[in-house]
Amino acid sequence: QVQLQESGPGLVKPSETLSLTCTVSGASISGSSWSWVRQPPGKGLEWIGYIYHTGSTNYNPSLKGRATISLDTSKNHISLRLGPVTAADTAFYFCARLPGIAQAMNSWGQGTLVTVSS
Amino acid sequence: IQMTQSPSSLSASVGDRVTITCRASENVRDYLHWYQQKPGKAPQVLIYSVSSLQSGVPSRFSGSGSGTDFTLTINNVQPEDFATYHCQQTYSTLVTFGQGTRLDIK
Repeated sequence: QVQLQESGPGLVKPSETLSLTCTVSGASISGSSWSWVRQPPGKGLEWIGYIYHTGSTNYNPSLKGRATISLDTSKNHISLRLGPVTAADTAFYFCARLPGIAQAMNSWGQGTLVTVSS
Repeated sequence: IQMTQSPSSLSASVGDRVTITCRASENVRDYLHWYQQKPGKAPQVLIYSVSSLQSGVPSRFSGSGSGTDFTLTINNVQPEDFATYHCQQTYSTLVTFGQGTRLDIK
């Protein structure tokens, strides 16, 4: 059974870069595609982007080029970098697995809250 | 592609039948999925590709629809079903979710 676990700083200052890691157990990250999704407290879900098993990426244009998703196969984890951040980036951040391109996200991490504040 | 769910919230009693709708601003073919999210937890997929039940999901959940109009139905609502439900389209390279529908106990 695949398990995902997000980790990273819970507090980031405005204008800095948010860095999160999604550690995967039970499967090799090389065989699947992965996504990051965020949810401001009390609000809906927002897709951040995908990284496909090929290594190619696709991002939400609303983030205006601030997001980067990458794979580290040696550590079996997926990374998200987002910056520079503002208070509007305060949210729960989730990583998720896709069994294939354009398919539903069938495994999720528990999520991690990132607060942007000075 | 904009996804609009209705209602935004609803109340139901255990044993009721509940229907949640999701409308897409463009045709999303069968790239429409439903997720359940409980407070403080990550979303979990219930239905993928309009009507396919995810493994382990009770059969009281069902999905239907085509093109731009989709429905999630819960028959015989159980206490553990009180949660928020989200639709999602993955037809476009810009993936979008509906705003969510909160199901409360009446």
